[in-house]
Amino acid sequence: KNEVEQSPQNLTAQEGEFITINCSYSVGISALHWLQQHPGGGIVSLFMLSSGKKKHGRLIATINIQEKHSSLHITASHPRDSAVYICAVLLGSNYKLTFGKGTLLTVNP
Amino acid sequence: DAGVIQSPRHEVTEMGQEVTLRCKPISGHNSLFWYRQTMMRGLELLIYFNNNVPIDDSGMPEDRFSAKMPNASFSTLKIQPSEPRDSAVYFCASSASVHTEAFFGQGTRLTVV
Repeated sequence: KNEVEQSPQNLTAQEGEFITINCSYSVGISALHWLQQHPGGGIVSLFMLSSGKKKHGRLIATINIQEKHSSLHITASHPRDSAVYICAVLLGSNYKLTFGKGTLLTVNP
Repeated sequence: DAGVIQSPRHEVTEMGQEVTLRCKPISGHNSLFWYRQTMMRGLELLIYFNNNVPIDDSGMPEDRFSAKMPNASFSTLKIQPSEPRDSAVYFCASSASVHTEAFFGQGTRLTVV
C-alpha cells in the first residue's frame, strides 16, 4: 500500500468551479508538499506546510495532522489550472519525499 | 536567480551508450536531489547530496547509475551503459535545507532506443 494516497486520480471540471484534491498519508510526517506539473513540463512547488492552512492567490492548502489528511483547493478554476497535482510527504526527520501518484486535473472552458 | 537549470532538456540515445545529465542548483542551496519519473512508478528519489556530499544513494537502481557533485554549483547523473528501461524524465531539485521548499528543474526527458 502506498504511504501517500491521492484522490481523485482524475478530475474534470468546468471553468469557474471550485476544485478539491485530497491527500491522505499513513505515517507521521514533518511536512507535506503540494506540487504542480503541467503536461511535458517541469514541477513547481505550490505549498509546503506542516500545520493549518496556507493561501496563495486562488490556491488554498490545508492539513489536519491528527487525521493525516491534506486538501488542495482551487477557487474559480481556469483552464490554465489544468495539470497534474502531486502530494508529497516528508517523513519525520527524514529528507526523503514520498510522493503520491498525482491527480490529473482538466478544466474545460 | 534563474532557478534550477538542467541540461539537456531532451536526450535520445542508443542502448549501450553513456548518458550524462547535468544540473545547476540554485545558488546558496546546500541540498540537491536527483529524481526519476516514470508512468509506472511516478517520482522516485535516486540520490541526495548535502553540502556536495552524497548522503543517500539507495535509490540508484544499479551500478550503471552514478552521480557526482564536484562543487556547490554543479552535479551530474551518469548512466553507463544505458538501457531502454532507463527511459524516463529525470529531475534535479535543490533546497536551502531538507526541511525547506524544494525547487525543481525542468527535467531531462531521456529516451534510450
